[in-house]
This record gives sequence, C-alpha cells and structure tokens, in this order.
Amino acid sequence: AQSVSQHNHHVILSEAASLELGCNYSYGGTVNLFWYVQYPGQHLQLLLKYFSGDPLVKGIKGFEAEFIKSKFSFNLRKPSVQWSDTAEYFCAVNAWNAGNMLTFGGGTRLMVKP
Amino acid sequence: DTGVSQDPRHKITKRGQNVTFRCDPISEHNRLYWYRQTLGQGPEFLTYFQNEAQLEKSRLLSDRFSAERPKGSFSTLEIQRTEQGDSAMYLCASSRGRQGGTNEKLFFGSGTQLSVL
Repeated sequence: AQSVSQHNHHVILSEAASLELGCNYSYGGTVNLFWYVQYPGQHLQLLLKYFSGDPLVKGIKGFEAEFIKSKFSFNLRKPSVQWSDTAEYFCAVNAWNAGNMLTFGGGTRLMVKP
Repeated sequence: DTGVSQDPRHKITKRGQNVTFRCDPISEHNRLYWYRQTLGQGPEFLTYFQNEAQLEKSRLLSDRFSAERPKGSFSTLEIQRTEQGDSAMYLCASSRGRQGGTNEKLFFGSGTQLSVL
C-alpha cells in the first residue's frame, strides 16, 4: 500500500524567509504527485501537481515542487513566504495501480509571522 | 457559488443513531469522491463514483457506511449505528472525469463535521 510522510508537522517562519516542506512517499512504480493547501476557514485546493515531464513543477502563488524519483520525494518550496501563506499544506500521491485513490500525508501547518 | 457544496456543515448525534450527509458536486463533473479527515491527519479516501457507479471503496468503509449517487449528480453518505470513532470531518470532492484522468485536480467542499457523543 502506498503511504505519504510529511516530516514537519508545524513550521513557523518570518515573512520573506524561504520555505521547504518535505514529502516522501512509499511506492516504487509510477506516481502522480500533488500538493494541496487549506487556508484558514477555507476548503482544500490544489497548489500544484506532477504527473510527467519536467520534474520541477510550478504552481500558484509562487510555489514550486521538485520530484526526485531516486529519493521518492516531492518537496514543496517557496523562495520568500508571505503572511498570507499561513495555511495547512498536504502532499498527496496517486499510484497508477491504486485507481483514483489519493493518499494524503498528515499535513504541515505553516505559520508566517508578519 | 459553483463549487462543491456539502450539507450539513455540522452534525452532532448520539452514539447508535444514523446520520446522512449530502454532497452536490460541480455540475459538469462526472467523478465524486468521499474522504474522511480526523484532527491532525490528512484526508483518508473512502469511496469514489464515476457518474452513478461506485467504482472504488476503501477498506476503511465498514458495512455501517453506505454511499449512493443515484442519478450521477448529488451523492449521500450514510453512517448507521454511529460510534464515537466516526467523529471526523467528512469531505466530498469532484473532478471532471476525463478518461484515464488519475492526475486530475480535485475540487473539495468545505466538509461536514460529525461529532458522535
């Protein structure tokens, strides 16, 4: 069965700091990878996704993620965070033998101090 | 608002009672998903519909849980004989459902928060 690990449960940063959130998955085959974000009081929404091609993918609001197949990782990055990035971030994986099931990590709560 | 809507937003019930939740997906979306999320965890997949057909069910979905999507539009999730362990946020999501589209973007609703006393 596939599983997803997010290493940091809580991250606190000051504005303009750089961000990297870790995500590792356990599945050796082909995967589709996603980052979803949940802002306070809002529903989950897609930040970015990878399914093929360039392993460095860019999403909304200046976020990017890099798929490193050899490390089973899909870390999320942003060079300079803003207070409005305060949210919970979820990494998710869909393995090609898992139908349409997305497996989510436990999430990382990011607080950006103004 | 043309997003995914869920009703009710909150439900408090006593152990042993039955509850039913409703999800209205985005109108042109063929696929509908139910997930469950407990505090401090990510969403866990429960089940998935392609139009009115329930194509996948998680092992998490015990026989007390049943989901329907009778006309391929809205869906209901019923929990019978609720237990305290059923307390969670129940999320619904939908997607366009292009053939083979396992890399699709899911659109989530705001969820139904269930509390079983």
